[in-house]
Amino acid sequence: SQTIHQWPATLVQPVGSPLSLECTVEGTSNPNLYWYRQAAGRGLQLLFYSVGIGQISSEVPQNLSASRPQDRQFILSSKKLLLSDSGFYLCAWRELVNTGELFFGEGSRLTVL
Amino acid sequence: TQLLEQSPQFLSIQEGENLTVYCNSSSVFSSLQWYRQEPGEGPVLLVTVVTGGEVKKLKRLTFQFGDARKDSSLHITAAQTGDTGLYLCAGQFYNQGGKLIFGQGTELSVKP
Repeated sequence: SQTIHQWPATLVQPVGSPLSLECTVEGTSNPNLYWYRQAAGRGLQLLFYSVGIGQISSEVPQNLSASRPQDRQFILSSKKLLLSDSGFYLCAWRELVNTGELFFGEGSRLTVL
Repeated sequence: TQLLEQSPQFLSIQEGENLTVYCNSSSVFSSLQWYRQEPGEGPVLLVTVVTGGEVKKLKRLTFQFGDARKDSSLHITAAQTGDTGLYLCAGQFYNQGGKLIFGQGTELSVKP
């Protein structure tokens, strides 16, 4: 069966520091991968998605970047965090055969101070 | 840029009442999904609709997809306290590859 993991679960970082959130998927090949950010009690904002290795689509111009160095690995990064980067970050992979369902990781809560 | 407008943003009702949540766009969806999310967790899929005019039922939840495939609704009959949560619609548009975007969410609170 397929599993998805992301880490770290919680992160408190000072303004201007770098960021690296990692997400890996097991049990499937060539998945569509996504990074979303969510403010408390609100909808999910699509940040990046990838349909294959090295293929990254950016949805929101900002100081974040994403990379997909391997088929089942998706990394969200920043060189210098802003206060506005605080939020709940969710990685997801998408099942494309039947329902098109998104399966989410555990989430990473980032607080920038 | 495609947008999904979801309404209402907040809903507080008594147990046993009915409610409807709406999701609209100016663009045509190739498919639309409804998710439910608990605090601190990722959203979980409730349903996927792909055909205009489609109606799907999941126990007390009824999902409709508009004939023009630009809107959808989620209706809950006789709400229970266990229905409390954040409800999200997510849509994929034609010629947008793997892009899947979410509405703003509806935070539902069902009181006993």
